Amino acid sequence: AQSVAQPEDQVNVAEGNPLTVKCTYSVSGNPYLFWYVQYPNRGLQFLLKYITGDNLVKGSYGFEAEFNKSQTSFHLKKPSALVSDSALYFCAVREALAGGYQKVTFGTGTKLQVIP
Amino acid sequence: DVKVTQSSRYLVKRTGEKVFLECVQDMDHENMFWYRQDPGLGLRLIYFSYDVKMKEKGDIPEGYSVSREKKERFSLILESASTNQTSMYLCASSFTSGTIHEQYFGPGTRLTVT
Repeated sequence: AQSVAQPEDQVNVAEGNPLTVKCTYSVSGNPYLFWYVQYPNRGLQFLLKYITGDNLVKGSYGFEAEFNKSQTSFHLKKPSALVSDSALYFCAVREALAGGYQKVTFGTGTKLQVIP
Repeated sequence: DVKVTQSSRYLVKRTGEKVFLECVQDMDHENMFWYRQDPGLGLRLIYFSYDVKMKEKGDIPEGYSVSREKKERFSLILESASTNQTSMYLCASSFTSGTIHEQYFGPGTRLTVT
């Protein structure tokens, strides 16, 4: 069964510093990977996805993520954090299987706190 | 812009009541989903639908049912609400065809069962 792990419940970073939110995955085949963000009292918003190709994926709001197959990781990064980036971040994985709909599995979420 | 709307932002119901949560999307998406979100547990899939009148169980379907009579509308039904169904409920939709598509989420319904 596919799974995704977000090892940190909370990440604190000073405004202007680089940030990393970690995600590791487990699938038996090739993965499709996603990052979503949830601002307070809002639904989830899509940030970026990895399907195939370049291991560095660029997304919305200046975020990017690095796919590392050997380490089965898909860490979310941003070169310079903003206070407005403070939110709950979810990693998700969908396994690449033939035929039918494949379920997307979400991680437990990481709360990012950017300190002014 | 894709828009996914949910009928209520906050809902308070009593134990044993029948509860209807409605979700509507305006982008002609084939797939629709219901999740519940609980602290420390992330999002858990309750049910999903890949076409009108079609439904599939997710990870935690017990105590829930769904209805999809029209492509744009997906309803979640709690037949007899219980306190352990107090949660945030999120609806989502996505395309099927072509490349791998992300999901679009509604704002959520925070349900409290007393």
